[in-house]
Amino acid sequence: QKEVEQNSGPLSVPEGAIASLNCTYSDRVSQSFFWYRQYSGKSPELIMSIYSNGDKEDGRFTAQLNKASQYVSLLIRDSQPSDSATYLCAVKGKYGNKLVFGAGTILRVKS
Amino acid sequence: GAGVSQSPSNKVTEKGKDVELRCDPISGHTALYWYRQRLGQGLEFLIYFQGNSAPDKSGLPSDRFSAERTGESVSTLTIQRTQQEDSAVYLCASSPPKGSSTGELFFGEGSRLTVL
Repeated sequence: QKEVEQNSGPLSVPEGAIASLNCTYSDRVSQSFFWYRQYSGKSPELIMSIYSNGDKEDGRFTAQLNKASQYVSLLIRDSQPSDSATYLCAVKGKYGNKLVFGAGTILRVKS
Repeated sequence: GAGVSQSPSNKVTEKGKDVELRCDPISGHTALYWYRQRLGQGLEFLIYFQGNSAPDKSGLPSDRFSAERTGESVSTLTIQRTQQEDSAVYLCASSPPKGSSTGELFFGEGSRLTVL
């Protein structure tokens, strides 16, 4: 079992729709959770972090965390073609500083 | 500098040659990470530095890979006797000291290595 799992996609949504990206993790004591966006040929950039159960909203982005289910999600409202990218879920354990990344989900927003 | 700086941005080498990749983190960032990303794949952890020490080297794929960091700043990743499967983008990231950050990483633009 991979430590962090994501559906590779591609996930295709029409412009203006809600895109829902999901991630599960195996280490139950993980404490910090991150969503990075990576445009083709570019390096990853942080878009959201979440540390407690529940929802965290930032503009069009909402991160959701359910530690009991070991599940993290990212919702993108009013999706735009510029949101088309690979979204990487990353998890940091309780011990050590290593950030473990999932393989990423490709999102395509069609105008 | 303003961001994480990596060099070279592109490196083409012949199988069997040694290569050195350099990373200059954001000033004041005590933690430094190296990741590898093969084409179309996710980020594979290689090594993590806290200051000049490397408490986690668990991701280095073989003894051909080594890394060092001096002066709590610049780090060098060395790959000896390169193989074709070493072809990838090598990403460096840094993060601020514990207690002043929530653990997010700031990435450089990467060094693209092609082994012929």
